Amino acid sequence: GAGVSQTPSNKVTEKGKYVELRCDPISGHTALYWYRQSLGQGPEFLIYFQGTGAADDSGLPNDRFFAVRPEGSVSTLKIQRTERGDSAVYLCASSLPGAGGGELFFGEGSRLTVL
Amino acid sequence: DQQVKQNSPSLSVQEGRISILNCDYTNSMFDYFLWYKKYPAEGPTFLISISSIKDKNEDGRFTVFLNKSAKHLSLHIVPSQPGDSAVYFCAAASMDSNYQLIWGAGTKLIIKP
Repeated sequence: GAGVSQTPSNKVTEKGKYVELRCDPISGHTALYWYRQSLGQGPEFLIYFQGTGAADDSGLPNDRFFAVRPEGSVSTLKIQRTERGDSAVYLCASSLPGAGGGELFFGEGSRLTVL
Repeated sequence: DQQVKQNSPSLSVQEGRISILNCDYTNSMFDYFLWYKKYPAEGPTFLISISSIKDKNEDGRFTVFLNKSAKHLSLHIVPSQPGDSAVYFCAAASMDSNYQLIWGAGTKLIIKP
């Protein structure tokens, strides 16, 4: 597809379970970002990849959260031992190299609900 | 500590009139500002941006104004159209970490026919 694709669009899980969220960026976009949006708030930065490496993971809230991008394209956000407070929409975005200034292309998000 | 604030959760404007959305920031290191628009069940889409070396940027019906001394920016939409009804987010970044956007909480704009 032409845009950023995220799967699943909705995920309901129980407290303590493991969750994986997938992001397929726009072809040719080497920069990839994960954001989290809680109800009534703006997106909150989690992690940024340039190619295969995590250039900045300072936004990950704790060590239960981890993200990979092994081949520099698709990325997976992994959440271990989920907690109710992890419930949010997880947004993935990509951009061209050197785009700078934050003109990001977002997917529709993965809505995670932890019961 | 909210570095980017949008103090109006919602705004209702008559079709054809001007919509003005406001945003305040506290971090003087921000030097690039963006507005994103979001429809329900969709991701945010980029609308318009401005760097700190300018005080105005215009793109069609959309104009962003930046007042650095007041740490304030605004988005003007004129004339407002029904399709403009959405949530508008203000975001800011500093050039030395321009991949990390700091976002406001958003303003829901409702255009009345």
